[in-house]
Amino acid sequence: GQNIDQPTEMTATEGAIVQINCTYQTSGFNGLFWYQQHAGEAPTFLSYNVLDGLEEKGRFSSFLSRSKGYSYLLLKELQMKDSASYLCAVLDSNYQLIWGAGTKLIIKP
Amino acid sequence: IAGITQAPTSQILAAGRRMTLRCTQDMRHNAMYWYRQDLGLGLRLIHYSNTAGTTGKGEVPDGYSVSRANTDDFPLTLASAVPSQTSVYFCASSDTTGGLETQYFGPGTRLLVL
Repeated sequence: GQNIDQPTEMTATEGAIVQINCTYQTSGFNGLFWYQQHAGEAPTFLSYNVLDGLEEKGRFSSFLSRSKGYSYLLLKELQMKDSASYLCAVLDSNYQLIWGAGTKLIIKP
Repeated sequence: IAGITQAPTSQILAAGRRMTLRCTQDMRHNAMYWYRQDLGLGLRLIHYSNTAGTTGKGEVPDGYSVSRANTDDFPLTLASAVPSQTSVYFCASSDTTGGLETQYFGPGTRLLVL
């Protein structure tokens, strides 16, 4: 079967750095996405990785290791508005997105 | 309209009733999707459409039907609602012609079936 694993919940302090991990086992791989979802709202696109390595976009970075079936999202200089759920999703061999259950990130002052 | 709209925003429905959730996008994306999101679970694909005139079944299609008469609209119908269909429903679209499959989501419909 196909499986995406991410921690259910994480807590971090405003101004700090947090890393949210995602491991996956899917039938094929055509890229990995990270989405942000604030409570009661729709998911919004953050990043896309298809090759190994780090992709940096402002305060957010995403890393991929295809051989390990592993990705992480790194958030720097945390702000209160970063409190949200972060969803990891893998595009499988059929070009369908397989979604993790999401990691709820709580930011404390 | 900018992006994807969904209607209604929320709905309380009696079990056994028929209900259509509406979804419209103005980005001319070829592909559209319907997901349900339940607490503790990831987004689960109900149905999808790769292009106008075609549809396909996702992970959890039972009890739902879709149509794609044109590029912009992708309605989801519950023929006879059951309480287990209580969920938040998201419509999404993507332009798959360029290779990048980024999906853009509508604001969601919160459905309660009693």
